[in-house]
Amino acid sequence: GAVVSQHPSWVICKSGTSVKIECRSLDFQATTMFWYRQFPKQSLMLMATSNEGSKATYEQGVEKDKFLINHASLTLSTLTVTSAHPEDSSFYICSAIVQALYGYTFGSGTRLTVV
Amino acid sequence: AQTVTQSQPEMSVQEAETVTLSCTYDTSENNYYLFWYKQPPSRQMILVIRQEAYKQQNATENRFSVNFQKAAKSFSLKISDSQLGDTAMYFCAFGRTGTASKLTFGTGTRLQVTL
Repeated sequence: GAVVSQHPSWVICKSGTSVKIECRSLDFQATTMFWYRQFPKQSLMLMATSNEGSKATYEQGVEKDKFLINHASLTLSTLTVTSAHPEDSSFYICSAIVQALYGYTFGSGTRLTVV
Repeated sequence: AQTVTQSQPEMSVQEAETVTLSCTYDTSENNYYLFWYKQPPSRQMILVIRQEAYKQQNATENRFSVNFQKAAKSFSLKISDSQLGDTAMYFCAFGRTGTASKLTFGTGTRLQVTL
C-alpha cells in the first residue's frame, strides 16, 4: 500500500517548451506532497510543498513562475517546468506523507533532459 | 532549522560483513522522527528504517538496525550480513512531528558491497 505513481519516468524536451510531471497517490489520499530535485550523486533538494486545494509553498531560491505546482485533488499533484532550459535538466522526485503510517512514500522519479 | 550531517561520502564493505553508516543532526525539537532511506541505481527511494525520538529502544528491521543516541543527536545505521543488493546511496533524514512536515536530508553515503 501507500504507492505514489510518477509519470513520465523520463522525458526529453526542446528548450523553451514546457513539461508536466504528474504524481498520483494510488491507494491513499495525499493531502501534502513534496517536490524534490536531485543532481547526480547529490542529495534531494526540496523545491516546494504542495497542499491540496491551496497554493504551493516554495523553498528559497526556487522560481515559482518556472516550476508551477498544482495540487487540485487529494490524489494528484503536478509539476510543470515552464520555458525549460538545459540547466533545468535534472531528476525530479515527488513524495507524499502517508498519515496512517507517519511515513513518506516516494515516486519513482522523472529524468528531465532539455536539449 | 534542522540540519543533517553524513560525514562518510563513500564506504565499502565485503559481502557478509557488517558496516555502520554515521549520521548526526541538529534540532531544538524534542519530538521528531529519523529515517534512513536507500536509493539504489534505479533511484527509487526506499525506506530502510524509522525511529521515533520518544522511543528509547533502537529500531531494527531484519539486517538493519540503528544506534539512536538522542542526547548526542546521533543516528547511525548498522547493516549486518551485507549483501550485494545493499549497494546504494543511503540518506539519513529528519522529520518534525506534525501533519505536513517536510524531511531534511543528509548529503548521503554511497555504499558499495563487494565480493
